[in-house]
Amino acid sequence: KQEVTQIPAALSVPEGENLVLNCSFTDSAIYNLQWFRQDPGKGLTSLLLIQSSQREQTSGRLNASLDKSSGRSTLYIAASQPGDSATYLCAVIWGGSNYKLTFGKGTLLTVNP
Amino acid sequence: ETGVTQTPRHLVMGMTNKKSLKCEQHLGHNAMYWYKQSAKKPLELMFVYSLEERVENNSVPSRFSPECPNSSHLFLHLHTLQPEDSALYLCASSLRTSGGTYNEQFFGPGTRLTVL
Repeated sequence: KQEVTQIPAALSVPEGENLVLNCSFTDSAIYNLQWFRQDPGKGLTSLLLIQSSQREQTSGRLNASLDKSSGRSTLYIAASQPGDSATYLCAVIWGGSNYKLTFGKGTLLTVNP
Repeated sequence: ETGVTQTPRHLVMGMTNKKSLKCEQHLGHNAMYWYKQSAKKPLELMFVYSLEERVENNSVPSRFSPECPNSSHLFLHLHTLQPEDSALYLCASSLRTSGGTYNEQFFGPGTRLTVL
């Protein structure tokens, strides 16, 4: 079964710290992988999308990496800020269906001032 | 309005009611999606429409009935729901290229549904 797992389920850090969120997936034949942010009661905001042929993507303080062979992706957040507090979701589209996103349960991040 | 909008933002209904959720995208996309987000569970894809044709029904009960009258609008008609259907329902849209690939999905803010 194709599944996406995110560990830890929750993370609390002091402001200014660099941090890494983890995502693992069960089948390496992915089409692409996407990281989203969700604020409480809100929809999803796309942060980074990594195609299967790519190893990483960067946007501002965010860097996402992809290692298909080990079935892992990481989201690195540099110099965290209280405004980064949200739930971060990892989602995978596997080859064979280039639109069907399979989501992890997310990591709830709290950045304390 | 920009992006993907959803109405209503909150809905409370009884099990015998009939209601509809509306989604509208202003991005020029031609594919639209319904997702369900329940507490403690991952987001689940429900339906996908591409060029106004349903291409995915992810084993969703018939008490949920989608409708896509054009590429900008998507509805989810609800009838005789159960309390366990209470969830956040999210709409998304993307562009399906002429080559058949689907680009990045953009999400609306969701409708928080409570079934009493």
